[in-house]
Amino acid sequence: SYELTQPPSVSVSPGQTARITCSGDALPKEYAYWYQQKAGQAPVLVIYKDSERPSGIPERFSGSSSGTTVTLTISGVQAEDEADYYCQSADYSDSSVIFGGGTKLTVL
Amino acid sequence: QVQLVQSGAEVRKPGSSVRVSCKASGTIFTSYAFGWVRQAPGQGLEWMGGIIPILDTANYTQRFQGRVTITADESTSTAYMELSSLRSDDTAVYYCTRIFYDGSGYFYEMDYWGQGTLVTVSS
Repeated sequence: SYELTQPPSVSVSPGQTARITCSGDALPKEYAYWYQQKAGQAPVLVIYKDSERPSGIPERFSGSSSGTTVTLTISGVQAEDEADYYCQSADYSDSSVIFGGGTKLTVL
Repeated sequence: QVQLVQSGAEVRKPGSSVRVSCKASGTIFTSYAFGWVRQAPGQGLEWMGGIIPILDTANYTQRFQGRVTITADESTSTAYMELSSLRSDDTAVYYCTRIFYDGSGYFYEMDYWGQGTLVTVSS
């Protein structure tokens, strides 16, 4: 079955840049989306269609795509950015939706 | 403002069914699709399926085919998810989401999420 692969964890110090990757064979053809989920809360969309940022999301959040990998970049990480981040795309194997396993971002 | 308000927590026995509701407000219900995503304790997000209310068509991921039914009531702007033959590993928080879609039924981003409904399956 089709999978999106994310690193389980990423750690950065405040003010540094965090990069979270998501890999999948279909990503060159399908859009990717990123969601932030803080402890005990519902997910929040932070990037859509690979690199678009919804209104209300800080400019330090950006997305990019290269081949089979998409990347969420958080520039100037703040303590409040500590959360789980999930990528999402289309699952062409059953015309459905698929999520990556999630990456826990720790702000040291 | 857009709100998706879900029904409250449920406790069910193995083998039974549960129905979770999701009432949308501040949005044109028939202009979007609505989906269901679940999250088992300490685990990641898992897509279950979605519905396009104006077409009254639902699709489900293979893993839940035959056990899940997603419906929508335009008159009350409410989406429903019913899961049957419950097992202990169905214990999870279930989220509804609002989804952009296109004319071919392709789903794009999930821009609003409900608060989540905890379903506990225990004998």
